[in-house]
Amino acid sequence: AQSVSQHNHHVILSEAASLELGCNYSYGGTVNLFWYVQYPGQHLQLLLKYFSGDPLVKGIKGFEAEFIKSKFSFNLRKPSVQWSDTAEYFCAVNPLLTGGSYIPTFGRGTSLIVHP
Amino acid sequence: DVKVTQSSRYLVKRTGEKVFLECVQDMDHENMFWYRQDPGLGLRLIYFSYDVKMKEKGDIPEGYSVSREKKERFSLILESASTNQTSMYLCASSLRHGDEIGELFFGEGSRLTVL
Repeated sequence: AQSVSQHNHHVILSEAASLELGCNYSYGGTVNLFWYVQYPGQHLQLLLKYFSGDPLVKGIKGFEAEFIKSKFSFNLRKPSVQWSDTAEYFCAVNPLLTGGSYIPTFGRGTSLIVHP
Repeated sequence: DVKVTQSSRYLVKRTGEKVFLECVQDMDHENMFWYRQDPGLGLRLIYFSYDVKMKEKGDIPEGYSVSREKKERFSLILESASTNQTSMYLCASSLRHGDEIGELFFGEGSRLTVL
């Protein structure tokens, strides 16, 4: 079965620091890739996605992610975080499985706390 | 905006009770999902459905069943609740483009406590 690994479970930063959250997946076929964010008390929402084309994708609120196929990675970055970025971040992979079904698989999440 | 509505935000049930969690989406999405979210474990897929009356087991289907009688509604059923089913339950829906599942739209979650 496919799996998604998020290397950092808890990250604490000061405002204006740069952020990089790692995400690796274990599936060799075609994938669609996502980062979702869950702000405190809110529902999960899409931050950015990659389906095909330019491997560097830009999302909302200044976030970007780079798909490196050879490394099975889809790391999330932001050059300068803000206090309002405090949230939980989930990487998700939709692989093409046998029979033609994509089933989304999520990583365990990274809790980001940004100090003002 | 897509809206995914879960009927109950908070529930408290007793061991052995039957529990129904309801989810309704208003965007005519083909796919619907039930996940449970636990600290440190992320989101784990319980069941999903890609069409009315169709269902597929996810990673942790034991102790759960689902029903999808109408396209907009996907219900999660705990036949006999147990304390290890205390969790946050998330419903999601998505479009289907051929064999691809699009981004997921999530409800606000149902926090279930089983005593």
